[in-house]
Amino acid sequence: DSGVTQTPKHLITATGQRVTLRCSPRSGDLSVYWYQQSLDQGLQFLIHYYNGEERAKGNILERFSAQQFPDLHSELNLSSLELGDSALYFCASSVEYFYNSPLHFGNGTRLTVT
Amino acid sequence: LAKTTQPISMDSYEGQEVNITCSHNNIATNDYITWYQQFPSQGPRFIIQGYKTKVTNEVASLFIPADRKSSTLSLPRVSLSDTAVYYCLVARMNRDDKIIFGKGTRLHILP
Repeated sequence: DSGVTQTPKHLITATGQRVTLRCSPRSGDLSVYWYQQSLDQGLQFLIHYYNGEERAKGNILERFSAQQFPDLHSELNLSSLELGDSALYFCASSVEYFYNSPLHFGNGTRLTVT
Repeated sequence: LAKTTQPISMDSYEGQEVNITCSHNNIATNDYITWYQQFPSQGPRFIIQGYKTKVTNEVASLFIPADRKSSTLSLPRVSLSDTAVYYCLVARMNRDDKIIFGKGTRLHILP
């Protein structure tokens, strides 16, 4: 158990809808990262937050947004969903910045858009 | 983030030692090398991290030559449960870097 909690585990929704994925980092971890992994694809970096502030952004679509709250949990909001958004969404946390703080991943949220 | 190159896939047999090499020719002074393991439908799991020479833990060893332009993850006496994708990452202190995972190496352990 990595200590990172992601909810829900599974989500099935229709095109055009909006969903929110939630991540609770390990106790004490200040950094939260979001990744998308489509079937048989690599991990696509979406966004990184550190102690409530956005630190780095990947190729995250404008329909996607995220935030980290004062209690350090994070939410990833996906709107106007398309079939291609179906994927596993992982959250990871680390104590500090990435360079000497390994990432600890949750078990992901599997999103299916129909 | 330093670009890394790993073999796309590897096969080995139970009980063998497996070495996966990662090339990172443009590694910078402040860069660390980190390896992750990912099973299907699970999040990646941290295996080992190093800066130079050799690092060993209960799971694996990491060998880094003096020029640091490559690194080798060594898995001793693999079992079927070691079948997974292994990612090599090189990350630096600049927190503005995007943390990019490559395609990784698909390791398939045969009985």
